[in-house]
Amino acid sequence: DQQVKQNSPSLSVQEGRISILNCDYTNSMFDYFLWYKKYPAEGPTFLISISSIKDKNEDGRFTVFLNKSAKHLSLHIVPSQPGDSAVYFCAAKATGSARQLTFGSGTQLTVLP
Amino acid sequence: EAGVVQSPRYKIIEKKQPVAFWCNPISGHNTLYWYRQNLGQGPELLIRYENEEAVDDSQLPKDRFSAERLKGVDSTLKIQPAELGDSAVYLCASSFSGVLAETQYFGPGTRLLVL
Repeated sequence: DQQVKQNSPSLSVQEGRISILNCDYTNSMFDYFLWYKKYPAEGPTFLISISSIKDKNEDGRFTVFLNKSAKHLSLHIVPSQPGDSAVYFCAAKATGSARQLTFGSGTQLTVLP
Repeated sequence: EAGVVQSPRYKIIEKKQPVAFWCNPISGHNTLYWYRQNLGQGPELLIRYENEEAVDDSQLPKDRFSAERLKGVDSTLKIQPAELGDSAVYLCASSFSGVLAETQYFGPGTRLLVL
């Protein structure tokens, strides 16, 4: 039973355009969400996070949107750059679960020059 | 500042052989995690340490997997004996438990192939 789902295994966008990566979750106890980026042969690196008390968090070119009623979050990258090409993982933490993160299966983003 | 260090980076063994992975967390991080990542999937938690205490090992297959974190710093994860299905990337992460929703920092992982 996947509690965090990333239904698109891959996404290709043109350099300079917007990349939108989606993530759905089923556990209503999730109250904190993170996005990690992973390059080949490296570990995941933290990108941006959002608490359930917010619906938007922005950091430079990266913005995460949270729609609690739909149990959906998305990561927007504007403008996309070739260096953004990586696997992006959505992760979630449940209330009271201390530091346990549940990860999605990832989306491979390819930004074409 | 040095990140999470893991060794070896790659390991190829035959089934039924033992294997061990080592992790050195970021200095000052008291929480350490071991994850397993299968191909095409996200990381799955195996065990979490708070200092030297294993506080969450519910996902660790205890018949063949063991872990230790002596002195609350470095940690080792062992598999004995290894099975074909253990082929995966084993990731170590650490965090500072100052607040509830702190960020976890990952090492590069150890890619294990069991033949």
